[in-house]
Amino acid sequence: KAGVTQTPRYLIKTRGQQVTLSCSPISGHRSVSWYQQTPGQGLQFLFEYFSETQRNKGNFPGRFSGRQFSNSRSEMNVSTLELGDSALYLCASSLGAGTHNEQFFGPGTRLTVL
Amino acid sequence: AQSVTQLGSHVSVSEGALVLLRCNYSSSVPPYLFWYVQYPNQGLQLLLKYTSAATLVKGINGFEAEFKKSETSFHLTKPSAHMSDAAEYFCAVSGNSGNTPLVFGKGTRLSVIA
Repeated sequence: KAGVTQTPRYLIKTRGQQVTLSCSPISGHRSVSWYQQTPGQGLQFLFEYFSETQRNKGNFPGRFSGRQFSNSRSEMNVSTLELGDSALYLCASSLGAGTHNEQFFGPGTRLTVL
Repeated sequence: AQSVTQLGSHVSVSEGALVLLRCNYSSSVPPYLFWYVQYPNQGLQLLLKYTSAATLVKGINGFEAEFKKSETSFHLTKPSAHMSDAAEYFCAVSGNSGNTPLVFGKGTRLSVIA
């Protein structure tokens, strides 16, 4: 069974631009969660989607948004990029709703904002 | 609200020595507790999970962790370190209702010396 895939793996943007990251969950998984990983703040929860509905949202500004499609694939968007948005963005999928379920992580998208 | 404290951002052990990575948690609801491992340039992989079924949890690659409610701890151990265990380890907590997001500790980097 294929794992969680994230595209692109690496991305370089400049301040003020916007970016869209994509995540394809493991087949049959209906929950997708997104995390931001930085050296200073560590791993922080962004949001969770289940059956196309946002279940939970972390403490991030409105510039960070996401959505989930009917095939469970998910995208996250960051608008008006800031230098501090440079991070590794991880996507995780699980069978059921809620991050207390076992999550399977993708390799991440490394975003660099110049 | 949940929080996690991992004592020691970097732990170094000799090959064959005991591995002990410390994790203390705070949770206002019965917790689910996790240990994840991250190898360079990869996503996170679940090592083990506590769900209140048993206080001693056995995971993959010879790791285990013991839930101690009185000490609010969930330390990770392995009797004998291998070179391949060198990685970053994250402790995480979630409420068992599934309505609270997963909260990670800052991580502990494990180095194994030959």
